[in-house]
Amino acid sequence: SQTIHQWPATLVQPVGSPLSLECTVEGTSNPNLYWYRQAAGRGLQLLFYSVGIGQISSEVPQNLSASRPQDRQFILSSKKLLLSDSGFYLCAWRGGRNEQFFGPGTRLTVL
Amino acid sequence: AQSVTQLGSHVSVSEGALVLLRCNYSSSVPPYLFWYVQYPNQGLQLLLKYTTGATLVKGINGFEAEFKKSETSFHLTKPSAHMSDAAEYFCAVSEDNYGQNFVFGPGTRLSVLP
Repeated sequence: SQTIHQWPATLVQPVGSPLSLECTVEGTSNPNLYWYRQAAGRGLQLLFYSVGIGQISSEVPQNLSASRPQDRQFILSSKKLLLSDSGFYLCAWRGGRNEQFFGPGTRLTVL
Repeated sequence: AQSVTQLGSHVSVSEGALVLLRCNYSSSVPPYLFWYVQYPNQGLQLLLKYTTGATLVKGINGFEAEFKKSETSFHLTKPSAHMSDAAEYFCAVSEDNYGQNFVFGPGTRLSVLP
């Protein structure tokens, strides 16, 4: 069966520091992968999606970037974090009937 | 482009009472529809989905939803609420076969009172 991992689970970073969040999927090949952000009291915002290695589409302009160095690995990065980057970051992969399956999430607090 | 609205950002029910969470969508083509549940500090878990076929869809934890094309609705119901149902619920719509256009509603927080 397929599983999706995210790490770290929680992260506290100062403003201006770099960021790297990792997402890996097991049990499937060439999945479509997605990064979402969930700010406090708000819904889910799609940040990036990827249909294959090295292929990244950005949904909104922001302080973040994404990379897909391997088939089942999706990384979310920033060179300099802003206070507004705080939130709950979720990685997801797409199943065969368009459903999306989510990882456990990373809680990022920028101070 | 598709969109999703969820009536009521917060719904409270008594334990044992009917749960009804409302979802309306707009889509230019036959949609794929989903309900997800999110417990605090956890990822989203798929409750149920409608793709094609039977319009009444049964999911996990006793939840079900009915696709009504004429009303562009996909309301989520459960006959008897349990304390463990307290969570945030998201309705979502996908319009194409690639999943890029996957739009979530704003969510409804369900509280279950003893």
